[in-house]
Parts: sequence; C-alpha cells; structure tokens
Amino acid sequence: GQNIDQPTEMTATEGAIVQINCTYQTSGFNGLFWYQQHAGEAPTFLSYNVLDGLEEKGRFSSFLSRSKGYSYLLLKELQMKDSASYLCAVRDSNYQLIWGAGTKLIIKP
Amino acid sequence: GAGVSQSPSNKVTEKGKDVELRCDPISGHTALYWYRQSLGQGLEFLIYFQGNSAPDKSGLPSDRFSAERTGGSVSTLTIQRTQQEDSAVYLCASSLEPTLRYEQYFGPGTRLTVT
Repeated sequence: GQNIDQPTEMTATEGAIVQINCTYQTSGFNGLFWYQQHAGEAPTFLSYNVLDGLEEKGRFSSFLSRSKGYSYLLLKELQMKDSASYLCAVRDSNYQLIWGAGTKLIIKP
Repeated sequence: GAGVSQSPSNKVTEKGKDVELRCDPISGHTALYWYRQSLGQGLEFLIYFQGNSAPDKSGLPSDRFSAERTGGSVSTLTIQRTQQEDSAVYLCASSLEPTLRYEQYFGPGTRLTVT
C-alpha cells in the first residue's frame, strides 16, 4: 500500500529552528509537496521538490532524497504565526496526491 | 483573480437527508479535487476530475456519495441519506495540468454537521 509518515506533533521555541520529517512509500514518484494549514483554515502551498536536494524559500527550506523516500521541511527563525499543521504529500505514478496526516507544530514564546 | 470558492460554508442537516456541496474552481484550472477532513485528521481523498470526467473515484466512501462537474468548471458533491459519520469539513481544490508541477489551491471548505 501507499504510506506517508510524519510525526503527529512537535514543539519548538520562537526564534529557533525546527525540522519536520516525512517518509514515504508510494507507487511511483512524481514530486513531493509541503502545505501549511492553520487551524480552521484550508491548506496553502509551501514547497515542491521533484529532484534530490534542498529548495530554499525565505525562512522555509525543503529537502528531498528519492533513494531514501525521505523529505524534511526546515523552518528557521520561528515565529508564533508558524504554529500550524504541516502536511506532506507525494504525487504517485498516476499523478494523484497521497497525503500524510500532518504534523502539528506548536511554537512557544 | 478569485480563488477557489465553496458553498455553503456551513451546513447542518438531519440524519437521512441529502446534501449538495458546491465548488467553483479557479478559472482555467482543468483539475478539480474533493477531500474530506475530520477534526484533527489528515486529508482523505474522495474524487478527482480532469475536465468533466472523473478518472479516479476510488476515494468515495460509499455509493451514497456522488459528484459531477459540468462545463469543466463548477462541481457538486452530493451525499444521500447522510449519516453522522459524514460530519467533516469537505475541501475542494483545483490546479492546472496535474502531470506538471502545479500545486493545488484549496477552497475554504464546507463544514458539514449531521445531527
């Protein structure tokens, strides 16, 4: 079967750095997405990786290793507004997105 | 331009009633997706449209659920004889050509409560 694994919850301190991991086992691979979802709101797109390596976008970076079926989202200089759930999703060989259950990130002052 | 819109934003219905949820995708987006999200849970894929056809209906939980899309634009998700376990937020998303890197844009969702 297809499976996406992420930690359920993480806690970090304002101003610090946090890394959210995602491992996947899917039928084929056509890219990996990270989305942010604030409580009670719809998910919004953060990043996309299809080749191995690091993609940097401001305070957020996303890394992919296709051989290991592994990605992480790195958030730097954490702000209180970064408190949200972070969803990892992999596009399979049929170009359908397989979603992880999300990681709830709690930022403490 | 306008984003994905969904209506109603909230719907409370009695068990056994039928409900219809509507999604207006971003203009020009050929792909449209329906998801369901229960409180504190991840996204559950329901159905995907490419144009007006639905190549993947594998996520529909039962034959009480159906969806259609007309004119390559508006989509409706219908739930017949609603049950309490249908209570969830129903999210619609749209994107450009799904075989490329285009991300999905989500609507605000419809919160369905079955009493």
